[in-house]
Amino acid sequence: AQKITQTQPGMFVQEKEAVTLDCTYDTSDPSYGLFWYKQPSSGEMIFLIYQGSYDQQNATEGRYSLNFQKARKSANLVISASQLGDSAMYFCAMRELTPTGNQFYFGTGTSLTVIP
Amino acid sequence: DTAVSQTPKYLVTQMGNDKSIKCEQNLGHDTMYWYKQDSKKFLKIMFSYNNKELIINETVPNRFSPKSPDKAHLNLHINSLELGDSAVYFCASSLYPTRSPRGEQFFGPGTRLTVL
Repeated sequence: AQKITQTQPGMFVQEKEAVTLDCTYDTSDPSYGLFWYKQPSSGEMIFLIYQGSYDQQNATEGRYSLNFQKARKSANLVISASQLGDSAMYFCAMRELTPTGNQFYFGTGTSLTVIP
Repeated sequence: DTAVSQTPKYLVTQMGNDKSIKCEQNLGHDTMYWYKQDSKKFLKIMFSYNNKELIINETVPNRFSPKSPDKAHLNLHINSLELGDSAVYFCASSLYPTRSPRGEQFFGPGTRLTVL
């Protein structure tokens, strides 16, 4: 089974609108971390937001928020007030703790296009 | 001030050659990683390494070998390059989980390898 599933290969959003990028995960580890990364066309990977499995509240970082639904194993990224510069690939990732250290898993990504 | 750096940024070479990509991080992290991103943007972890253990993704051909002279460096050597090795290779680093429950990865700018 896939550890991280992103079912939206591509998404479009109007500038200034909000958009939700979906992510579901699969783990039996009680302690894990969830991350979102942005990859603009320039290619670099930019860390956006983190949610720990024991965190009671949804994470927020500026215009980014993570809608964490533990029972459903989903960790959707919400971008509010979209800007043209938000056009990029977005990757959901999970970190599991193993006896030997961190193990990271990435989803296949969602390409977001912000329309003026 | 660069956190994770990679050299070279671009690498064009002939099939059958041997090449290396260098990675350095100045974040004081103790775990480093190599990822391969193919033309469809899929990120595949190749290696993770801390000062205690090297974890190899078993699907990675043994033509690929990581070499770590110290905690701040993790270089990638590739022998007998093949056409299918063409991709973008990312180096990343993070803190060992006992030092940071968050442990997000910081990525280098990537090295675009083209094998002719």
